[in-house]
Amino acid sequence: AQSVTQPDIHITVSEGASLELRCNYSYGATPYLFWYVQSPGQGLQLLLKYFSGDTLVQGIKGFEAEFKRSQSSFNLRKPSVHWSDAAEYFCAGGSNYKLTFGKGTLLTVNP
Amino acid sequence: DTGVSQDPRHKITKRGQNVTFRCDPISEHNRLYWYRQTLGQGPEFLTYFQNEAQLEKSRLLSDRFSAERPKGSFSTLEIQRTEQGDSAMYLCASSLVIGAGEDTQYFGPGTRLTVL
Repeated sequence: AQSVTQPDIHITVSEGASLELRCNYSYGATPYLFWYVQSPGQGLQLLLKYFSGDTLVQGIKGFEAEFKRSQSSFNLRKPSVHWSDAAEYFCAGGSNYKLTFGKGTLLTVNP
Repeated sequence: DTGVSQDPRHKITKRGQNVTFRCDPISEHNRLYWYRQTLGQGPEFLTYFQNEAQLEKSRLLSDRFSAERPKGSFSTLEIQRTEQGDSAMYLCASSLVIGAGEDTQYFGPGTRLTVL
């Protein structure tokens, strides 16, 4: 069965520190991979996506993610976190139409 | 460029009542999706449309749930005889897919349903 796992439920970082959020997938073939961000009570905003090609993808708000087939991972990174980045982050995998989401990682940013 | 819109944003109802939600996708998007998100979880796929045709329904979508997209534009999701377990955020997303091309889904703000 297709699945997406986000091992970290909650991460706390200091403003200005670097960030890495983990995502692992289990699919028969390479899925499409996405990162979305959700602020409290809001919908999901697309940060970045991977379909094929270059395994390092750039997204909005200074985020990037790297697809590693050997590790079945698609981790999200940001070199310097801002207080406004505090939110919940979801990794998702898709094939053809249906997205399968991880349970999310809640990011807290300390001043 | 207007995004996906959903109405209402919040709905409080009593158990046993029927509710209907509306989703307006991004203009020209041919696919429309419904997801449900419960507290502390990621969204779960419910159903999707390609134009006006409903092509897939999750087994999460019980007989009390029905979705329509009559003219291939906006969509409605109706829940009949609501139960407390239906309390969740209902998210709509849309995408433009041409042939076997890439499918990037853009989400609306969601409708939060509370069943008392």
